[in-house]
Amino acid sequence: NAGVTQTPKFQVLKTGQSMTLQCAQDMNHNSMYWYRQDPGMGLRLIYYSASEGTTDKGEVPNGYNVSRLNKREFSLRLESAAPSQTSVYFCATTVATPLHFGNGTRLTVT
Amino acid sequence: GIQVEQSPPDLILQEGANSTLRCNFSDSVNNLQWFHQNPWGQLINLFYIPSGTKQNGRLSATTVATERYSLLYISSSQTTDSGVYFCAVERGETSGSRLTFGEGTQLTVNP
Repeated sequence: NAGVTQTPKFQVLKTGQSMTLQCAQDMNHNSMYWYRQDPGMGLRLIYYSASEGTTDKGEVPNGYNVSRLNKREFSLRLESAAPSQTSVYFCATTVATPLHFGNGTRLTVT
Repeated sequence: GIQVEQSPPDLILQEGANSTLRCNFSDSVNNLQWFHQNPWGQLINLFYIPSGTKQNGRLSATTVATERYSLLYISSSQTTDSGVYFCAVERGETSGSRLTFGEGTQLTVNP
């Protein structure tokens, strides 16, 4: 029982490159989320999916797209990476409460 | 949107000491959670506590929803308690769980 699995753990991109962050959960939760964490700050919500087939913008969605592929998987795509997107990205899931996090993806954009 | 303020921003303790972390929020909530981020970056849910008091070992939490604050108590602190403690709250329906996070309290416990 892995819980919430994020891949990759680390990634370095050049400005303008694209990539997809993957998140998979085996907890049978309906809701899934993508957060970013920047130094000295709390977590900010990028996008979320309340159930399979639905996605909604969070606090900081610009520059990102998401896909809720099925109940288990929720991916985050950067189409044209920018240095401002250097951050640690966390996927999370819940069925009502509480929130369960993956171990994060550390992304650096140069 | 709702504002979440945590205090103190930094706290340094000797092993064995007790501490209280505070979370103030600007509006009524029906979802409040406390998280611990360890030095390796992992985020662990400690409590779901929109109101009342809960205890889990050396940790306990109290939320006074009518006065818009929550407290996290750590007793007999250990070095493994080091890390960042986040409070997160949500207004509205719990099923969406669109939590707003505070900026955290950085706790360092020295041996």
